[in-house]
Amino acid sequence: DTGVSQNPRHKITKRGQNVTFRCDPISEHNRLYWYRQTLGQGPEFLTYFQNEAQLEKSRLLSDRFSAERPKGSFSTLEIQRTEQGDSAMYLCASSLTASYGYTFGSGTRLTVV
Amino acid sequence: GQQVMQIPQYQHVQEGEDFTTYCNSSTTLSNIQWYKQRPGGHPVFLIQLVKSGEVKKQKRLTFQFGEAKKNSSLHITATQTTDVGTYFCAGFYNTDKLIFGTGTRLQVFP
Repeated sequence: DTGVSQNPRHKITKRGQNVTFRCDPISEHNRLYWYRQTLGQGPEFLTYFQNEAQLEKSRLLSDRFSAERPKGSFSTLEIQRTEQGDSAMYLCASSLTASYGYTFGSGTRLTVV
Repeated sequence: GQQVMQIPQYQHVQEGEDFTTYCNSSTTLSNIQWYKQRPGGHPVFLIQLVKSGEVKKQKRLTFQFGEAKKNSSLHITATQTTDVGTYFCAGFYNTDKLIFGTGTRLQVFP
């Protein structure tokens, strides 16, 4: 098991463009989470899935953000019409059940110019 | 909304000194987890505490969960340069997602 994998590691995009990130969780983990982290802050919850069902989405998340987890395996996070305020590290994590420790991926660092 | 605050925000210590970070929640937590994030890295799970007043140890690290389940602490004895990083507490509030604290950044000078 290679842990949680995220691609790409870095993404630089122009304001207004759409971006998509991918997360491959640990295969036996049915819980998958997306967090966003800016410099000097703790990870901020965005959304999570149990298998293919998206169970919760943060109220902080605008409708420019959408996430999917088809077939309960990998997940994608799309940001439409990116803004400079979207610049952050986007972290994906998976866990075996709700109250197990999370295994985080290395993240995708997004820079919107 | 639920908030998890940590103090101090930064701590610089000489190698061999002890270090403690405190985590405080505005409301009762169902359980709490601790993570370490090295500079440039991602959070790595350290431990979970569930019971009121619980104390757990991992080598030089001691974790405690308060009686009221609203606060927690992490104590490191005799710090080493390998302890450098940011330590986050994260709590569950009767929901299925973790809310992360503000973190304490530890710097250890040799």
